[in-house]
Amino acid sequence: KAGVTQTPRYLIKTRGQQVTLSCSPISGHRSVSWYQQTPGQGLQFLFEYFSETQRNKGNFPGRFSGRQFSNSRSEMNVSTLELGDSALYLCASKTENTGELFFGEGSRLTVL
Amino acid sequence: EDQVTQSPEALRLQEGESSSLNCSYTVSGLRGLFWYRQDPGKGPEFLFTLYSAGEEKEKERLKATLTKKESFLHITAPKPEDSATYLCAVRGWEAAGNKLTFGGGTRVLVKP
Repeated sequence: KAGVTQTPRYLIKTRGQQVTLSCSPISGHRSVSWYQQTPGQGLQFLFEYFSETQRNKGNFPGRFSGRQFSNSRSEMNVSTLELGDSALYLCASKTENTGELFFGEGSRLTVL
Repeated sequence: EDQVTQSPEALRLQEGESSSLNCSYTVSGLRGLFWYRQDPGKGPEFLFTLYSAGEEKEKERLKATLTKKESFLHITAPKPEDSATYLCAVRGWEAAGNKLTFGGGTRVLVKP
């Protein structure tokens, strides 16, 4: 069974640009969550989508947004990039029958 | 607000030298405590879920235990391939959806 797939794996952007990251959950998983991981702050929750609806949102500015499609695939977008947005962005999916999240390998964003 | 503190931040072990990692947590009500392993440049890999005090789970050289205030991850006779960062996370009743709150992690290095 394929795991959570994230694309692209690595990308470099400059300040002020925007970026879109993609996540394909495990087949059959309808819940998709996004996390930001940095050396200083660790893993922080960004948002969660279930059946195309945002179910929860973390304490991030409005520049961070996301969406989910009818096939459960999800995208997140960061606009007006800042240096501090450099991080590993992780997507995770789960079924509603179990508690654990399964993570992808992440998208490593570097903002110059 | 849910909080998770892991200690120590880093742990250096000789191969075969057993040790324990600590995860202290504060939640309004525990819906699950999760342990993950993360290798450099990769996403977290799910290890265990614990739901109630007294519960224990084992997998190879790893054993996770849970009390009302903390969880321990015991590593018995570790091997170099056990070197990784171990992450603890909780899901509380006040957290909508499937949001996890993570601790800062414990970096474990096992030397041959």
